[in-house]
Amino acid sequence: GQQVMQIPQYQHVQEGEDFTTYCNSSTTLSNIQWYKQRPGGHPVFLIQLVKSGEVKKQKRLTFQFGEAKKNSSLHITATQTTDVGTYFCAGRTARQLTFGSGTQLTVLP
Amino acid sequence: DTAVSQTPKYLVTQMGNDKSIKCEQNLGHDTMYWYKQDSKKFLKIMFSYNNKELIINETVPNRFSPKSPDKAHLNLHINSLELGDSAVYFCASSQGALSYEQYFGPGTRLTVT
Repeated sequence: GQQVMQIPQYQHVQEGEDFTTYCNSSTTLSNIQWYKQRPGGHPVFLIQLVKSGEVKKQKRLTFQFGEAKKNSSLHITATQTTDVGTYFCAGRTARQLTFGSGTQLTVLP
Repeated sequence: DTAVSQTPKYLVTQMGNDKSIKCEQNLGHDTMYWYKQDSKKFLKIMFSYNNKELIINETVPNRFSPKSPDKAHLNLHINSLELGDSAVYFCASSQGALSYEQYFGPGTRLTVT
C-alpha cells in the first residue's frame, strides 16, 4: 500500500532559526496537503500543492512539491514560538489519502 | 460557530464496553471522515463517507462501525472496547473527497482501562 514517510520526527530549534520538514511517498501523488496541529489541538489545513515542481509561500512558510510528485517539503524561515506544533503532510493518490508520521517542532525562546 | 463538533471530548471506559462518538458539521460539506491518532501522533484514516455513502473503509476491526444518518453527521460506534483502542479520534469534513482541504473537529480522547 501507499506509504508516506516524513522526516525528521522531532526538531528543536532556537527562535529565529530556520526549520524544514520533508515528506516522501512510495508512489506518485495526485496532490499533497500540509496540516499543522498545535499541542492539544486538532490538525488545521495549511495548503495544497497539485502541480509538479510547484512552490507556494505563506509569509514565512514555503511549500514545495517535487518534480516527480513523490516528495514535498515545508520550510519555515526565522521560526517563532507560535510555530510550535506538529506538521503533517498528507499525500493523495486516486484511491487513498495517507498522512505522514508528522514532525514535532519545538521552538526554544 | 463551531464548524465541526464532536461529543464527548473525553471518554473513559472499561474494556469490553460499547461506546459511541458523535460528529456534526455545519459547513454544508458532503464528505466526512474518522481518523485515529495514537500516542505517537500518527494520524490514520479509518472511514470516509461521501453523501452518506461509505467510500473509504481502511483496515479497521469490525468492532468499529460508522453511521451517517445524514450529510451533516457521522457517528462512530465501537463494540467490545480494547486497551489498544485508547487514542484520540478526530472527525473531519470536506467539500468533495480527498482532494479538498479537511476541517477537523476538536477530537475525542478515548481511554480504555
